[in-house]
Amino acid sequence: EDQVTQSPEALRLQEGESSSLNCSYTVSGLRGLFWYRQDPGKGPEFLFTLYSAGEEKEKERLKATLTKKESFLHITAPKPEDSATYLCAVRYDKIIFGKGTRLHILP
Amino acid sequence: DGGITQSPKYLFRKEGQNVTLSCEQNLNHDAMYWYRQDPGQGLRLIYYSQIVNDFQKGDIAEGYSVSREKKESFPLTVTSAQKNPTAFYLCASSMIREGTEAFFGQGTRLTVV
Repeated sequence: EDQVTQSPEALRLQEGESSSLNCSYTVSGLRGLFWYRQDPGKGPEFLFTLYSAGEEKEKERLKATLTKKESFLHITAPKPEDSATYLCAVRYDKIIFGKGTRLHILP
Repeated sequence: DGGITQSPKYLFRKEGQNVTLSCEQNLNHDAMYWYRQDPGQGLRLIYYSQIVNDFQKGDIAEGYSVSREKKESFPLTVTSAQKNPTAFYLCASSMIREGTEAFFGQGTRLTVV
């Protein structure tokens, strides 16, 4: 069965404390892996697309990487405004999502 | 402005009534999707469509129906057969080319009482 698994489910960090979120997938014929940020009550906001193993993308304090079976979202020196749910999705003939990681950055 | 519009933002219905959620996009995307999100959960795929007049069931299609008569529009009907319809519903669209991401509307929160 095609699956996307994110860990941890929730993460609390102090401001400035760097960490990583994980997304593992069991999908054949991957046609792209995506990271989104979602704030409460809002639609997901697109962050990154990764397509090939070894690929990396960066945006401000976020860096996404991709291997053959998993992706990591690294957050460096986070700020309270980075608090949100981070969703991972994969595309083959459709787009499916993991359950997300709820990130809370304490000031 | 290009984007995806979902309406209404909040919707209340009585149990046993069918209700239709609207989704319109002006991004010229071929593919459109409907997802359901429950509190503290990720997004679960209800239906998707890659071309006008064609659509496929996702993981939780029971109790829902869709149509795709126009490229820009993909309405979702929540029928009385859906046992637990109260949820946050999200519509998305994308190009069908490999590696292209989906863009989302702001969602409709449906409450059935």
